Parts: sequence; C-alpha cells; structure tokens
Amino acid sequence: SAVISQKPSRDICQRGTSLTIQCQVDSQVTMMFWYRQQPGQSLTLIATANQGSEATYESGFVIDKFPISRPNLTFSTLTVSNMSPEDSSIYLCSVQPGISDTGELFFGEGSRLTVL
Amino acid sequence: GQNIDQPTEMTATEGAIVQINCTYQTSGFNGLFWYQQHAGEAPTFLSYNVLDGLEEKGRFSSFLSRSKGYSYLLLKELQMKDSASYLCAVLDSNYQLIWGAGTKLIIKP
Repeated sequence: SAVISQKPSRDICQRGTSLTIQCQVDSQVTMMFWYRQQPGQSLTLIATANQGSEATYESGFVIDKFPISRPNLTFSTLTVSNMSPEDSSIYLCSVQPGISDTGELFFGEGSRLTVL
Repeated sequence: GQNIDQPTEMTATEGAIVQINCTYQTSGFNGLFWYQQHAGEAPTFLSYNVLDGLEEKGRFSSFLSRSKGYSYLLLKELQMKDSASYLCAVLDSNYQLIWGAGTKLIIKP
C-alpha cells in the first residue's frame, strides 16, 4: 500500500491568484497522477507526473494553467494558476505502487479549493 | 467515445442488500475497479475484476461480464457507514482509467 499526504486540505482563494498543492508519498513511486473532481462529477485526470521528465497532460489541460513539479520519487506539486470560480474543485493526488498486483490506485485526502 | 454508465443515486435500508450496476463502452479492456468515496474524502479501493465472474470479499462482491460490458457491486447486510458514493472505473487498452460519475448510495435506518 501507499500513504499519501496532501496539503492544503482546503483553501479559499481569490480570483486571479495561484495556489500550489503538495503531495508526499511514503514510498518511492514512478508515476504520480493528478485528478480533479468537480461537485457531482467523475474523476478527471489532469496529468501524469514522472520523475525527471515533463508531465504528460490530458486533453483540455495545459502546463501554463496547471504546472507540475516532480523533483523526486516521493513528492510532487500541482499549481492551479490564475484561478477562476470554474477552478473550484477537489484536486486529488494518486499513485499506483508497483507492489499492488491489482493495479489499484491510492489517493491522497484531496485538496478542496473554492475560488471566489 | 468511451463511456461508463452507473445510476446517479440509490436508496436502501440498513440490513438489506443493494446491487449497483455499471455498464461500459471502452476501447479495449484491462480490468474494472470499484472504489468507495465517502463525502469529503478520497476514494478507496474496493475490488478489481479482469475475468468474468463473481469476486467475493466479505460483505462486498463484484461481478463482471466482459461480453456484456457489465459489472455490478453487491453490498450485503448494509450498514449506515456504507452510505457513500461508489465509483466504477475501467482500464482501457492504453491502460488509462476511465471513471464513471459515481453512484451515491443512501442508507436509511
């Protein structure tokens, strides 16, 4: 298994500002995933963060809006830039440890952002 | 396109049994997951099916029919703490997870 710590757990932000979410894992993992979950919606993958290379973004998400860092195998950050009320959502970090034979994902507690 | 369908909301009584269905249309199939998500919390893994049939794990069971593109999650002896959203997700041929919108399960005493 994997234990993931995310912070902040929640924040209220002003329009036009940026916020960085941190994700710390208790073990080394190759890939870390950043998801967004808007109220009543399914999980939407924003990007996959690999250590030592640029993150891979999904359709509809760009690096300028959601820059990601992955400085080592246990840590990643996601920045939500120039926020607008449409960015109000829960942002989740997840990993898929190689030790799991079912390929299950482990999730952080999520960061609930409200943009005013 | 790729699509996962599951009911938006279901209601059941404490102590009863409930079945949550999931149908999928994806480009390829490499397994189906069920996750539980309590309000305000992160999803947690419940089950994984890659072969047809029923997988039982305590009060929870998950069934898969690949030919029908269909799965269900069966919850027995319902408890109030089972009130949560249940997410169905399929791993497609590119090993990308496609998520359903989730089924909100309400348990009444």
